Amino acid sequence: GAVVSQHPSWVICKSGTSVKIECRSLDFQATTMFWYRQFPKQSLMLMATSNEGSKATYEQGVEKDKFLINHASLTLSTLTVTSAHPEDSSFYICSAPPGGIAGVETQYFGPGTRLLVL
Amino acid sequence: AQTVTQSQPEMSVQEAETVTLSCTYDTSESDYYLFWYKQPPSRQMILVIRQEAYKQQNATENRFSVNFQKAAKSFSLKISDSQLGDAAMYFCAYTGLGNNDMRFGAGTRLTVKP
Repeated sequence: GAVVSQHPSWVICKSGTSVKIECRSLDFQATTMFWYRQFPKQSLMLMATSNEGSKATYEQGVEKDKFLINHASLTLSTLTVTSAHPEDSSFYICSAPPGGIAGVETQYFGPGTRLLVL
Repeated sequence: AQTVTQSQPEMSVQEAETVTLSCTYDTSESDYYLFWYKQPPSRQMILVIRQEAYKQQNATENRFSVNFQKAAKSFSLKISDSQLGDAAMYFCAYTGLGNNDMRFGAGTRLTVKP
């Protein structure tokens, strides 16, 4: 099946620093990738849609200057949390639709990145 | 906006028994896709089953099957012969046709008792 990887799997940083999270589609190309945020014992909340070759689109209430998204290639999207603060601590998950037989509507998810801001 | 509702925060089932997880959704679209994802303690989201709204036949994947009632906007997941490895959070999800924007329910935590 389609494989999506994320790096790092977890990161601890000091308040005020920036953190970059990578999302890669390993065996398929993805013109679109999605970034979610999940707080403990809660559901996934869509943060933004990453589009290869164009600007990301952000969900209402998500600060685009805080969460920078760059879709550098057809297999890589990065999420940078700028000037991180403790309230940014969360589990960040990316996903991508493999297309093909699975269809563009099916999402395959990365393993997630746990961010802890001290 | 499309919404997905899972009214069962927690469910429990005895090993080898059958359990049904409920999901309802709200949409004005006629074509769309519905999914059940499993999230074990590792937090990796795993696709369990997928249903296309234009298909009347309920999707089945081994021990997992759905009861899709389009008119009622209901999409329940039945797990037969439950196994200890089925214990996880289960999320119901919706996405429109050609629209990859996926919306999730709040989730149901399934416990499997040996």
